[in-house]
This record gives sequence, structure tokens and C-alpha cells, in this order.
Amino acid sequence: DSGVTQTPKHLITATGQRVTLRCSPRSGDLSVYWYQQSLDQGLQFLIQYYNGEERAKGNILERFSAQQFPDLHSELNLSSLELGDSALYFCASSPSGSYNEQFFGPGTRLTVL
Amino acid sequence: AQKVTQAQTEISVVEKEDVTLDCVYETRDTTYYLFWYKQPPSGELVFLIRRNSFDEQNEISGRYSWNFQKSTSSFNFTITASQVVDSAVYFCALSEAYNNDMRFGAGTRLTVKP
Repeated sequence: DSGVTQTPKHLITATGQRVTLRCSPRSGDLSVYWYQQSLDQGLQFLIQYYNGEERAKGNILERFSAQQFPDLHSELNLSSLELGDSALYFCASSPSGSYNEQFFGPGTRLTVL
Repeated sequence: AQKVTQAQTEISVVEKEDVTLDCVYETRDTTYYLFWYKQPPSGELVFLIRRNSFDEQNEISGRYSWNFQKSTSSFNFTITASQVVDSAVYFCALSEAYNNDMRFGAGTRLTVKP
């Protein structure tokens, strides 16, 4: 158990809908990262937050947004969902920057029908 | 831009064989960090090791060992006397010191048959 929690575990929704994925980092970790894992794109970094502020952006679509709250939990919002957004979404946390090892949550499997 | 290449898509071995997973990276930074993660069939990503660019010492942890060679930009992972429980997808990753974008390789699927 990495200490990172993600909810929900599975999510099935329809195209055009909006969903919110939630992540709680390990105790003491200030950085939260979001990744998308799909068969065709592999494991892709989406975005990082550090202590409430956006620190880095990767291949995150404009339809996706994230935030980190004062209690350090984070939410990833996915809107106007398309079939291609079906993937496993991971949250990871680390004490500070990405030069630290990141500890991953169990992931949320999103299926868009 | 940083890049990680894991040329072996799939490897299949029989239990007790040794196996080496290759990882080649590209970066312009002199300070960077390399990682290996394991993704078993259950799906979670498990951290295995972190190495910084200034530490070329090889590391051994039980049946696992890592060989970091800056001269060939490689960070290879060897499992000695493989076991069925080692079956997983293994990812190599690179993070540059001033870039918070951790780049993962495509992964190598290792199957260990009894």
C-alpha cells in the first residue's frame, strides 16, 4: 500500500459527460501528479501540483483541469468526455519535486461509452 | 527533450532464469534522475529504485540489480533467478532536475513461466 488513495476505483460514463477523480496524497507529501495510462499512448504525465499551486503541465487536454486543495488532496476534472478518454488515471505523490520517487495510487479506470 | 526507450516490448522466461530489461535515455541536462517502476497484473505502480546522474554505482537489492552507465545512457535492470511473481510490466522513467515532467518509457512486459 503506497499510502496514496484514489476514488472512485471504476467509473463508467457516456460521451459528453463530465467526471471528477479524487486523490489523497501520502501524509506529508506536498506534490501531487496526475497520469493517464492508455494502450496506445502509454503512461503520460498530465499535470503536477505542489502545495496548492500548479507546478508543471504535460500532455493535458484543455477539456481536463485539476486543482489541489488546502488539505492537499487533488481533483482531476474531465469534461466533454470522448471515447478516447477511456483509460486508467493515476495519481502519485512525492515530498516535493519529481526528482523524488513518486508513490502511485491504485488508479481510477474510466470507461466512456 | 527528455526521452526514455525500452526497446523490449515483451520478454518471456522460465522460472529461475536471469533476465535483463534494457532502458536507454536521452537528456541534455547534466542533473537528472532515473527510476524503475513495476506494474503487476493488479495494476498499481510500485516504485523500485531511484538513481541520480551523479551516482553511477550499481545497486543490488536481493534478486534485483541495476546497472547505470552514463557513457551509454543506459540504466538496465536485471532480475536474477526470476520467479512467477516477477511477472509484470516494468517501466523505466527519467526526470530532469529543473523539469517536473517525469517521462516514462513504453514499458517491458515480463512473463515468467513456471
